[in-house]
Order: sequence, then C-alpha cells, then structure tokens
Amino acid sequence: AQTVTQSQPEMSVQEAETVTLSCTYDTSESNYYLFWYKQPPSRQMILVIRQEAYKQQNATENRFSVNFQKAAKSFSLKISDSQLGDTAMYFCASFTLQGAQKLVFGQGTRLTINP
Amino acid sequence: DVKVTQSSRYLVKRTGEKVFLECVQDMDHENMFWYRQDPGLGLRLIYFSYDVKMKEKGDIPEGYSVSREKKERFSLILESASTNQTSMYLCASSLRGLRPDNEQFFGPGTRLTVL
Repeated sequence: AQTVTQSQPEMSVQEAETVTLSCTYDTSESNYYLFWYKQPPSRQMILVIRQEAYKQQNATENRFSVNFQKAAKSFSLKISDSQLGDTAMYFCASFTLQGAQKLVFGQGTRLTINP
Repeated sequence: DVKVTQSSRYLVKRTGEKVFLECVQDMDHENMFWYRQDPGLGLRLIYFSYDVKMKEKGDIPEGYSVSREKKERFSLILESASTNQTSMYLCASSLRGLRPDNEQFFGPGTRLTVL
C-alpha cells in the first residue's frame, strides 16, 4: 500500500527566506507521480508542482522546486524568496498507475510566512 | 478556469439527520471525487466516480453513499449523520482516466458539524 508521511506539522519563517518542507513516501511501484498541493486559509486547494518518478530532473515552477530522491523515497518542496501569500497548508501526495489508482495524501504541513 | 463549487461552506446538522453535500463542476470533467480532511490525517478518499452513474469506494466509504446522475454533479450523502462525521469535506474533479497527469481541481470545501 502507498503511504505518504509529512513529519513537520507546522513551520514558520520570515518573509523572503527560503523554506523546505519534507515528505517521504512508500510504494512498491516503479512508475508513479508525486505532487505538492497548497491550501491557503479559507481558499481552495491548488496544485503547486508535480514530479514524474521516471524523470531524474527535479521539477521547478517559479519559486517552487522539489528535491526528488528516488532511492530514499524523499520528495521535499523548497520555496525560495517566500511571500506572505505562501502562507497555507501544504500537502504532499502520491499516485501510482497500479492498484486503486488514487491520490494518497500526507498529513499536511501548516506553513506561516511572517512579515 | 476550472470551477468546482460546493453547495455550502458551513453546515450544522443533528445526529441522525440525512445530509446531502452537493458538488458541481463546470469543465466537463469525467472524474469526480469526495474527500474528508481531518487535522493530522490529511485528505482521505471517501468515494469517486469516473462516469455518470458509476461509483467506486475509496478508503473510508462506511457511513457514506454517493450519487452521480449528471456528469457535472456529484453528491455525497450521509444517511444518518453521526458526530464522528464532523469534518471538512472536499470535492474534486479531473479529466477522463485515472491518469497521474490529470490534475485534480478542488472545491472550497464544506465544513460539516454534527451535533
């Protein structure tokens, strides 16, 4: 069974700092996708970034990048030059093409960016 | 923009009541999902549907049922609400096929309190 673990329930940094959110996962499949979703306070969840397991290059979307360590089953999210609008819950999720083919989410990390 | 709407942002019901949560998407997506979100547990899949009148159980279907009579609408039903169903309920939709590159688009959520 797939599992996704986020070991940091809460994090807090100052505006403009760089912050890294951790995520580990477990799957027996060789082909899978990993995602980071952002849920701002009282707003809808949106996709931040996705990574395909067979691609060695780490995905990047503007200030957001991932550090994908396949052997270690680690998938961390780095936010550079953090902004007040980055304050949100962040969820890591995995998806495989086998079995139930559903997104499995981690517990979430509440990130606060302080002015 | 994809728009996923949910019938209520906040709902308060009594134990034993029948509760309907409605979700509507306007992008002609085939797949629709219902999750519940609880602190420390992340998002857990209740049911999903990949076509009209089709439904599949997720990880925690007990105490819930769903209905999909029209492509754009996916309803979650609590036949007899209980206090342990107090939670945030999120609806999501995506294009055809359980493919990992199909981004899931989320609604704003319904915070249900069962007294």
